Amino acid sequence: AQSVTQPDIHITVSEGASLELRCNYSYGATPYLFWYVQSPGQGLQLLLKYFSGDTLVQGIKGFEAEFKRSQSSFNLRKPSVHWSDAAEYFCAVGNNAGNMLTFGGGTRLMVKP
Amino acid sequence: GAVVSQHPSWVICKSGTSVKIECRSLDFQATTMFWYRQFPKQSLMLMATSNEGSKATYEQGVEKDKFLINHASLTLSTLTVTSAHPEDSSFYICSAMGVRGDTQYFGPGTRLTVL
Repeated sequence: AQSVTQPDIHITVSEGASLELRCNYSYGATPYLFWYVQSPGQGLQLLLKYFSGDTLVQGIKGFEAEFKRSQSSFNLRKPSVHWSDAAEYFCAVGNNAGNMLTFGGGTRLMVKP
Repeated sequence: GAVVSQHPSWVICKSGTSVKIECRSLDFQATTMFWYRQFPKQSLMLMATSNEGSKATYEQGVEKDKFLINHASLTLSTLTVTSAHPEDSSFYICSAMGVRGDTQYFGPGTRLTVL
């Protein structure tokens, strides 16, 4: 069975600082990996996804993520955080049919001025 | 592209009544849509997978008679919470499978409060 672990429930960073959100997955085959962001009371917005190819994936809003098969990780990074990035971030793994998406528990990001 | 809407965005109803939530893919056709439930400060839990023109597939533990799903067209799926009770209060989020069939695009969610 596939699973996703986001070890950090809460993270607080100062505005302008760099950010890394951790994600570890378990999946028997080549995973389809996603990062979504959820603002309070809102649905999920797709930040980026990895299916194959270049292991460093660029997304929207200046985010990037790196797939490391040896570590079963897909960490999300941003070089300089803005106050508007405060939100809940979910990592997800999907099968190649796209119909089985498993979410991690989420990481709540808070940004200090 | 790949915009998904939900209506209503929030609803308050009395215990025992039924509530219908609509999920629409606005700029693409979606043969597959999904319904999730999210409790406060928790992750999303898949309730059911909805395929256009066929019966929905429910996850284990989800009552199909309480959560009726209809996917009558390629752009619309509905979730009806029948005989709602306070424990059904939650945030319900739908998603639609993109045209390439490998990415889910999410709606903004519907907050249901049952009094």
